Amino acid sequence: EVQLLESGGGLVQPGGSLRLSCTASGFTFNNHVMTWVRQAPGKGLEWVSSISSGSVSTYYADSVKGRFTISRDNSKNTLYLQMNSLRAEDTAVYSCAKLSSENTFRVPLDYWGQGTLVTVSS
Amino acid sequence: DIQMTQSPSSLSASVGDRVSITCRASQGISTYLAWYQQKPGKVPKLLIFSASTLQSGVPSRFSGSGSGTDFTLTISSLQPEDVASYYCQKYNSAPFTFGPGTKVDIK
Repeated sequence: EVQLLESGGGLVQPGGSLRLSCTASGFTFNNHVMTWVRQAPGKGLEWVSSISSGSVSTYYADSVKGRFTISRDNSKNTLYLQMNSLRAEDTAVYSCAKLSSENTFRVPLDYWGQGTLVTVSS
Repeated sequence: DIQMTQSPSSLSASVGDRVSITCRASQGISTYLAWYQQKPGKVPKLLIFSASTLQSGVPSRFSGSGSGTDFTLTISSLQPEDVASYYCQKYNSAPFTFGPGTKVDIK
């Protein structure tokens, strides 16, 4: 059974930093592109960032480019999102998701974690 | 970057009605389009990929069509359990943008 468990969320002041983690199990983690998606309270889904299976390629939404860094440790089956220079508009539930086929970005998301809430407020 | 739009933003229909949601890409994306269903308080669920392929386990009342820039998600006979928000997503290339969503309610 595929499981994705996020952690690391919390309350942080504007300008602060936070690192999110996503621990995966139930599939061959090191063969899959992984993605972070966020959802602000009462709003829609927003794609944040994706990383290739071997960390060679990374992509970011314009809204987070230069502030967020996606990474992964395949030896620990763990995906990360380092978030710096946080703003109020970054407040959201952040979820990790796996893509449906191995070693490609050009497939949809088929499993999502429950997410971790990040609140940016003074 | 390619922009994704959806219409309507919300709709209310009766049980048994045929419901259609449109997703439009600002540039052609071939059939690299997925539809997701998100029920209140739940994680999104993949319904359709490659614009028209039904994900395993999804009821056959859901169908998708389109290619290039215009896509449609159709529920042939709306059921109470279909109350949810529906999102399209492009995945031909980054950024892997979602549409703004369509909220479906029962009248």
